[in-house]
Amino acid sequence: DADVTQTPRNRITKTGKRIMLECSQTKGHDRMYWYRQDPGLGLRLIYYSFDVKDINKGEISDGYSVSRQAQAKFSLSLESAIPNQTALYFCATSGSGEQYFGPGTRLTVT
Amino acid sequence: GENVEQHPSTLSVQEGDSAVIKCTYSDSASNYFPWYKQELGKGPQLIIDIRSNVGEKKDQRIAVTLNKTAKHFSLHITETQPEDSAVYFCAARNAGGTSYGKLTFGQGTILTVHP
Repeated sequence: DADVTQTPRNRITKTGKRIMLECSQTKGHDRMYWYRQDPGLGLRLIYYSFDVKDINKGEISDGYSVSRQAQAKFSLSLESAIPNQTALYFCATSGSGEQYFGPGTRLTVT
Repeated sequence: GENVEQHPSTLSVQEGDSAVIKCTYSDSASNYFPWYKQELGKGPQLIIDIRSNVGEKKDQRIAVTLNKTAKHFSLHITETQPEDSAVYFCAARNAGGTSYGKLTFGQGTILTVHP
């Protein structure tokens, strides 16, 4: 089984809808991250959490919120989706070294 | 905050040739520099990394060099194969202060290896 799983893998939603992306990890890491990938822009950090009680904004947090339900679970929400939030979203986890990425969620907002 | 610039954005080589991707960073306090490979439909995966106390690191056909004075680091792939075709990302991490644990990524390089 994969160490980092993301659900759903693909999602199409309409402008104004609330949507949640979920991430689970089995590596036992404390640190979890949400990134957004757009062509030509690399991976940009949305939110990160270093333990269950710690939530921090990344460079592009506007329009997003997160919840760290447990050490293994970190969810990303779009409160009111807009078309420019169409992107590939990645969850990642790390201990003190390497970050391990999930397979990604392709989100389309129409 | 940290800023990482990556070049080129696309790179096309013939099988067997070498490929070089270059990155520059802005924060002299950054001390960890990983390279990730992203294959189609998958998440990025670490292929090699280097810490600031080392100038070069090699793992079979891939190598990374770091010039702390100039604040740039490079990925070198020798004897390229079609399965090396992917998107490659560089990143930098500052081990201290408010940036602790966070990676800043470059824009990515699409590498195509033609048989």
